[in-house]
Amino acid sequence: GDSVTQMEGPVTLSEEAFLTINCTYTATGYPSLFWYVQYPGEGLQLLLKATKADDKGSNKGFEATYRKETTSFHLEKGSVQVSDSAVYFCALSEVPGGTSYGKLTFGQGTILTVHP
Amino acid sequence: DGGITQSPKYLFRKEGQNVTLSCEQNLNHDAMYWYRQDPGQGLRLIYYSQIVNDFQKGDIAEGYSVSREKKESFPLTVTSAQKNPTAFYLCATRLEFGVTEAFFGQGTRLTVV
Repeated sequence: GDSVTQMEGPVTLSEEAFLTINCTYTATGYPSLFWYVQYPGEGLQLLLKATKADDKGSNKGFEATYRKETTSFHLEKGSVQVSDSAVYFCALSEVPGGTSYGKLTFGQGTILTVHP
Repeated sequence: DGGITQSPKYLFRKEGQNVTLSCEQNLNHDAMYWYRQDPGQGLRLIYYSQIVNDFQKGDIAEGYSVSREKKESFPLTVTSAQKNPTAFYLCATRLEFGVTEAFFGQGTRLTVV
């Protein structure tokens, strides 16, 4: 079945540092890819998405590029802020059809802490 | 305001009790989902519903039940058969079943006392 693997955390950075959170996936079809962010005690918010190979999703200074050849969707930000401290989830959704029902599959999450 | 409302935010259950978590949406989305979140395990799908009066089991449906009598509502009942119910429960919706992104409620934290 489909799966998403994120880099082990937690990740601790100083303010203005460069951020990379690795995400690789396994899927039989051509999934859409997402990054979600979760602040303490809250639900998940969509951060960015990409629906086909070589698409780049971007939002609030975060970017991720859909790399089909390496089955990856790594999250990057050039200069992190204390307010970026949260848990980040990579996810994929298959295109419905055949035996697929468009399930949304999540990675285990990566905790990011940014210090002043 | 448009959105997804989960209630209550915190819920305490005694051993052997059934409890029901509420999820209401006014986004006019067709698909609704329930996920369970445990520390370090990401989100696991409990149940999902594509349309009114239809729902399907997810990966960890045992000990849970749902109904979808109205498009706006998808309540989750945690039964006494669920042996380890303490977790953070998240309701989500999607405009349509498939490639569109999911939107999440604020969650309900359930604790067994």
